[in-house]
Amino acid sequence: AQSVTQLDSQVPVFEEAPVELRCNYSSSVSVYLFWYVQYPNQGLQLLLKYLSGSTLVKGINGFEAEFNKSQTSFHLRKPSVHISDTAEYFCAVLPGRRALTFGSGTRLQVQP
Amino acid sequence: EAQVTQNPRYLITVTGKKLTVTCSQNMNHEYMSWYRQDPGLGLRQIYYSMNVEVTDKGDVPEGYKVSRKEKRNFPLILESPSPNQTSLYFCASSRDRGGTEAFFGQGTRLTVV
Repeated sequence: AQSVTQLDSQVPVFEEAPVELRCNYSSSVSVYLFWYVQYPNQGLQLLLKYLSGSTLVKGINGFEAEFNKSQTSFHLRKPSVHISDTAEYFCAVLPGRRALTFGSGTRLQVQP
Repeated sequence: EAQVTQNPRYLITVTGKKLTVTCSQNMNHEYMSWYRQDPGLGLRQIYYSMNVEVTDKGDVPEGYKVSRKEKRNFPLILESPSPNQTSLYFCASSRDRGGTEAFFGQGTRLTVV
């Protein structure tokens, strides 16, 4: 079985500060990894994904994530956040041909 | 515009009254699924469909039914809703099951009283 752990349920940060949202996973098979963002009253939108190749993945809106196989982590980072980045962020894994498994989410609150 | 459309967006109903939440996608995707989102639990898959007439249970299927008679539509049916099915529901579609982007609907907030 696979699981996804997002260690922080909420992350408050000031505008223009850097941020890291943490994600760890466990799986007995190789996985694909994803980060989705959910803005208020909206569905989920794909930020970035890791399927293979370079472990540093760049996504939309200036976000990037690094796949670390030895630590089974896929942390999301942004060097300078904006108020508009306030949202909930979900890490997800796709093990083999099974379904997406989501973490419990991290609410990013960007303050002026 | 590529999109997944759910209806209704908001629904309040009473225990035991059958309801259907519709989901339609315009991308000719084969794979569709339903999730429920609850605070602190993230999204959990209810049912999925690999193609027309092919459906299977996800992680939390109890109390739900689905059908896939056409490729574009994947309705979620609650035959006898109960208060523990109060949740935010999302439909999603993707070209296939592995590695490709999943497109999500706007969500349906269901309250069962």
